[in-house]
Amino acid sequence: EVQLVESGGGLVKPGGSLRLSCAASGFTFSSYSMNWVRQAPGKGLEWVSSISSSSSYIYYADSVKGRFTISRDNAKNSLYLQMNSLRAEDTAVYYCARSLAYYSSGWSHAFDIWGQGTMVTVSS
Amino acid sequence: DIQMTQSPSSLSASVGDRVTITCRASQSISSYLNWYQQKPGKAPKLLIYAASSLQSGVPSRFSGSGSGTDFTLTISSLQPEDFATYYCQQSYSTLMYSFGQGTKLEIK
Repeated sequence: EVQLVESGGGLVKPGGSLRLSCAASGFTFSSYSMNWVRQAPGKGLEWVSSISSSSSYIYYADSVKGRFTISRDNAKNSLYLQMNSLRAEDTAVYYCARSLAYYSSGWSHAFDIWGQGTMVTVSS
Repeated sequence: DIQMTQSPSSLSASVGDRVTITCRASQSISSYLNWYQQKPGKAPKLLIYAASSLQSGVPSRFSGSGSGTDFTLTISSLQPEDFATYYCQQSYSTLMYSFGQGTKLEIK
């Protein structure tokens, strides 16, 4: 079964750090780009970061640039999100999601497999 | 940055109704538009990619259309399990895969 399982969420004080993990199974992890998407309580979806299959290409939302670092370990079938200098506005459920590559006059992606999410709460 | 605007923000409909949700991009995104369904407490689910391609396993009552800046998601005959929140997402700019604000579809 294709599956993504996030872990590492919790309660952290403003200015603190947290590292999220996403364990992949049921597919060839090293062949796919991966992503982090978050959702604040009662709010919509916000893309956070993406990483290509070999880590050659990495992108961040402006809201987390310079504070968050995405990485992956293909040998361990795992995706990570290191979150530093956390703020109250970073409070959200964080999802990891697999990229489905498709061609439509050019290559692009959709997010076809999602984990169940892990909650991050930033509060004093 | 590419902004995505969905309308309406919420919608009440009955089982069997035909429903259309609109998504507008702040600039042309060709056909790089995806649609997701999210139920309370659950992860989003991919419905449509590339504006009109149905994801495997998604019922054929869901369809997508549009290109450039204007897109629609249509549910031809609402089923009880379709009441959820729907999001569009542009994938034209890999620098930011922005989502629309969501459309909550409720039972009338």
